[in-house]
Amino acid sequence: DVKVTQSSRYLVKRTGEKVFLECVQDMDHENMFWYRQDPGLGLRLIYFSYDVKMKEKGDIPEGYSVSREKKERFSLILESASTNQTSMYLCASRTPQGSGSPLHFGNGTRLTVT
Amino acid sequence: KQEVTQIPAALSVPEGENLVLNCSFTDSAIYNLQWFRQDPGKGLTSLLLIQSSQREQTSGRLNASLDKSSGRSTLYIAASQPGDSATYLCAVGFVGRRALTFGSGTRLQVQP
Repeated sequence: DVKVTQSSRYLVKRTGEKVFLECVQDMDHENMFWYRQDPGLGLRLIYFSYDVKMKEKGDIPEGYSVSREKKERFSLILESASTNQTSMYLCASRTPQGSGSPLHFGNGTRLTVT
Repeated sequence: KQEVTQIPAALSVPEGENLVLNCSFTDSAIYNLQWFRQDPGKGLTSLLLIQSSQREQTSGRLNASLDKSSGRSTLYIAASQPGDSATYLCAVGFVGRRALTFGSGTRLQVQP
């Protein structure tokens, strides 16, 4: 079974703090994704990575950066947390689009910025 | 614009009923379509993945169909149970996009 593990289930941070959200997958997947989910707005793609050190902006990259130094790990960084970044953050992974494999999600990190 | 729509946003049914959840998409050029389940406060669990060359996929009491030409997919749940209560999301892999595009989901409540 594919396992996507997000390091924290709940995080509370203060405005202006630098925040790291970590995600690890155990299936050697090339593609990894970060989404945020908000009531009424659904899932929105922040960033994704199609291989080590490779990344592309998603639909809402402002205020975020990412790091993929190893294939199994994809980190989301909030450089200076703001209250409008309070949200549920979901990490996902799979083999490349068109390869026929499903997308697998972690359990999510509920981030509150005060 | 490539979009995915799920209607209704919420549905409440009595236990034992067969039900259909709908998903529509605006572009027939797709790689695949995936159905997910999400319990409150949790991540998404993959239910079924249909490739663009397939018409349907089945897993237990779940059956998903795909009609690319009309831009529609349905998720059929047979003999619903209270444990099926969750939000069901549809996501489409459009050609030309590396990431899936998600619908906003249907929140299902199965009454005992």
